[in-house]
Formats: sequence, C-alpha cells, structure tokens
Amino acid sequence: EPEVTQTPSHQVTQMGQEVILRCVPISNHLYFYWYRQILGQKVEFLVSFYNNEISEKSEIFDDQFSVERPDGSNFTLKIRSTKLEDSAMYFCASSEGLASSETQYFGPGTRLLVL
Amino acid sequence: KQEVTQIPAALSVPEGENLVLNCSFTDSAIYNLQWFRQDPGKGLTSLLLIQSSQREQTSGRLNASLDKSSGRSTLYIAASQPGDSATYLCAVRPNGNKLVFGAGTILRVKS
Repeated sequence: EPEVTQTPSHQVTQMGQEVILRCVPISNHLYFYWYRQILGQKVEFLVSFYNNEISEKSEIFDDQFSVERPDGSNFTLKIRSTKLEDSAMYFCASSEGLASSETQYFGPGTRLLVL
Repeated sequence: KQEVTQIPAALSVPEGENLVLNCSFTDSAIYNLQWFRQDPGKGLTSLLLIQSSQREQTSGRLNASLDKSSGRSTLYIAASQPGDSATYLCAVRPNGNKLVFGAGTILRVKS
C-alpha cells in the first residue's frame, strides 16, 4: 500500500542552524501538509501546499519556515534559524484532493531536537 | 476558533471489553472528522473518516459515529485486544484543508 515517507527519522541540531525536513508524499496525491507535535501536546497544523503554492498556513508558520517541492516527488520543510521551541515531531501528510471524503495520510514523522 | 476535546484522557480496560472514546468539537461547521491511531513515537494511522453528511462508519471492530449538530463523535471498539493499546486521536476538518486535533485518549488494554 502506498505510504508517505519522511527523512531523517531523527535530527539533532544546534540553535540557530538551518534544518531541512524531507517528505515523499503518495505519488498521485496533489495536496501536501506539514504538522508538528511538541512533546505532550496536540498535533498542530503548520501549512498546506498545492500546485506549488502555499494554500493555507497557521500562525506558527512564520518567516522562519518555508516549504518547497523541489522536484516531482519530494516536499520539504525548511526552518531557517532553529529555536529551542522548534523541538518537536514533524509530520508530513498528503491527500488526493479536498473533497470531504478525502483522507489525509501521514508519514512516520521526523523528531527534531534543537540544543 | 474550532476546539476539539477528547474524553477520557486515558483509559485502561481488560482484554475483551467493549469501549467508547469520546470526541467533542465546538463548531459544527465541519467537512469531515477523522479518527487516528498513534503508537508511541510513531506516526498517525488513519482509522476512519466520517463525512459531515454521514452518521457513522465501520471498519472491522471499529465503529465511529458523528452527531454534527451536537458537536460529538464516538469511537466504539469491540472486543478490545492488547494490540489496540495506543493513543487515539480525533481530528476535524473545519474549512479549507487543515485538520484540528484533540489531545487524544491513551488506551491500554490489559491481557
């Protein structure tokens, strides 16, 4: 069964460094998402992406964050200058469309630790 | 602003019991509601999706119901097994394409 994959599974970085989290959505899906889950807290929406544009973003998704689809298969989340509070599990998701019947499928996540 | 609440926060039951997890949301204007399973340190696995026009969905031992007008959903698990132990998350899609999640119910099924 097709699945969303993410790399790396774990990343440790120093505060102020840039990180890029990578995702390969399900191949025929058109809508891509990033969510994050700080330890012990709810899963929070960051951004959605369609047709090479951001379609929706949350208040969390400030100028330090950016997303890109550099080729036909990858979808990336970049954090320009990491802060301690960026430490979280980051989930990529994808869906085929936006109909009410469409499920968002999640990847296994990247655990980011900022020191 | 849409808020999702899940009750109970944690539940421990003996194997074989039927159980109900509850989810409530503050704004009834939703496209759909999804139930997910999350194993420790892992990703989210979609269990069931109920569209706003539907009342329930079933998959194996799982049955999810939706009462949109009262802002409530329940996930019923029949004949629970130790392998069902996980965190169960409820998420609504209010508008656009983002999901709004509850904090989850941690389920432990004892053998």
